[in-house]
Amino acid sequence: GAGVSQSPRYKVAKRGQDVALRCDPISGHVSLFWYQQALGQGPEFLTYFQNEAQLDKSGLPSDRFFAERPEGSVSTLKIQRTQQEDSAVYLCASSLVSGGLTPSTDTQYFGPGTRLTVL
Amino acid sequence: DAKTTQPPSMDCAEGRAANLPCNHSTISGNEYVYWYRQIHSQGPQYIIHGLKNNETNEMASLIITEDRKSSTLILPHATLRDTAVYYCIVRVLYNNNDMRFGAGTRLTVKP
Repeated sequence: GAGVSQSPRYKVAKRGQDVALRCDPISGHVSLFWYQQALGQGPEFLTYFQNEAQLDKSGLPSDRFFAERPEGSVSTLKIQRTQQEDSAVYLCASSLVSGGLTPSTDTQYFGPGTRLTVL
Repeated sequence: DAKTTQPPSMDCAEGRAANLPCNHSTISGNEYVYWYRQIHSQGPQYIIHGLKNNETNEMASLIITEDRKSSTLILPHATLRDTAVYYCIVRVLYNNNDMRFGAGTRLTVKP
């Protein structure tokens, strides 16, 4: 079946612009995660949803970052007033359900990412 | 901070087994070992996970030492398409922000 999809794949923004990044999780997956990956580094956790509820946003770097998942499926990560340090690949992942049921249901599957470049 | 230590890079000849080590000396009893890989310009791809027993699937084998302080991911017959960064992660299932990737091992499979 279809995996996690993200759009756009590439985004160039001028400093100060707002951007919106979209994630379509695997159908039926309850949990959705956003990660940020700087060049040459591993992904770092940003935020997590269970259905439409945002249960953890401890990784969001500033109040310019906002994520939503209003109907419990598609999610949008919004960055306001972009800065050059926001340039990174933004990855979305989903899992069937998260919270310790079994490692199989808890396994996260990743999309291809959106590469954001802020000029 | 990542709870694992991996060599930054490794080479492997095509068709040979690739053995990627990972140290996780502070692993606790309820933490699983997960392996992901990331091919250039793609998102991380799940490979395998284990708790204390050795595991095998269609992609790889995972060998976990008896004291669980280290593990090895084995790709039995590496191909050029296996060139990627391989991440070893230890995590508890109920901690949703616990996927600490670290820097991983850059495996280069050479013809």
